[in-house]
Amino acid sequence: ETGVTQTPRHLVMGMTNKKSLKCEQHLGHNAMYWYKQSAKKPLELMFVYNFKEQTENNSVPSRFSPECPNSSHLFLHLHTLQPEDSALYLCASSQEGLAGGTAYEQYFGPGTRLTVT
Amino acid sequence: GENVEQHPSTLSVQEGDSAVIKCTYSDSASNYFPWYKQELGKGPQLIIDIRSNVGEKKDQRIAVTLNKTAKHFSLHITETQPEDSAVYFCAASVSGGSYIPTFGRGTSLIVHP
Repeated sequence: ETGVTQTPRHLVMGMTNKKSLKCEQHLGHNAMYWYKQSAKKPLELMFVYNFKEQTENNSVPSRFSPECPNSSHLFLHLHTLQPEDSALYLCASSQEGLAGGTAYEQYFGPGTRLTVT
Repeated sequence: GENVEQHPSTLSVQEGDSAVIKCTYSDSASNYFPWYKQELGKGPQLIIDIRSNVGEKKDQRIAVTLNKTAKHFSLHITETQPEDSAVYFCAASVSGGSYIPTFGRGTSLIVHP
């Protein structure tokens, strides 16, 4: 148990559906991240929030929409996805969320396995 | 930006052997280097990390070495056990700069009993 939970663990959705992924961290961290993990590809950073403000959007298509209502919760809203969006979506958090600060390890959730049909 | 190369992509060893995974990085400003282990069905979890003010760090069967001049760092696992089988990721980031890590592509370690 890393202190980062993600729901649902598995999700199958059609290309016209709208769904949301949820992440919650119980560690008191300032920064939260969304990553996409596809087979045989490196971890792809999607979004970064620190102190609830979005600081990174790594050229992610607009069909992925993040939301960070507070420093403990992070959502990823999905709509009109494509089959190539099928992947494991990982949420992570870390202690320091400020550029110029100390880099610390990230704590990852178990991921949501998304399949787009 | 930072670029992290990780080798090999797959490593197969017999139980009891040692395993070594190597990473190189491009940004000389990088000064924090964590290693993560990802087991099937789980997210990556930190197993060891090193900062640039030291050259080596050990934790039981796991050790990490850092060569700042050559810009490479390595993970060493001794007396491997089947439960060490997993995907291992290296990463590099900059304290005092953008703290966001850049990850290697991962190494799938298989330990045969």
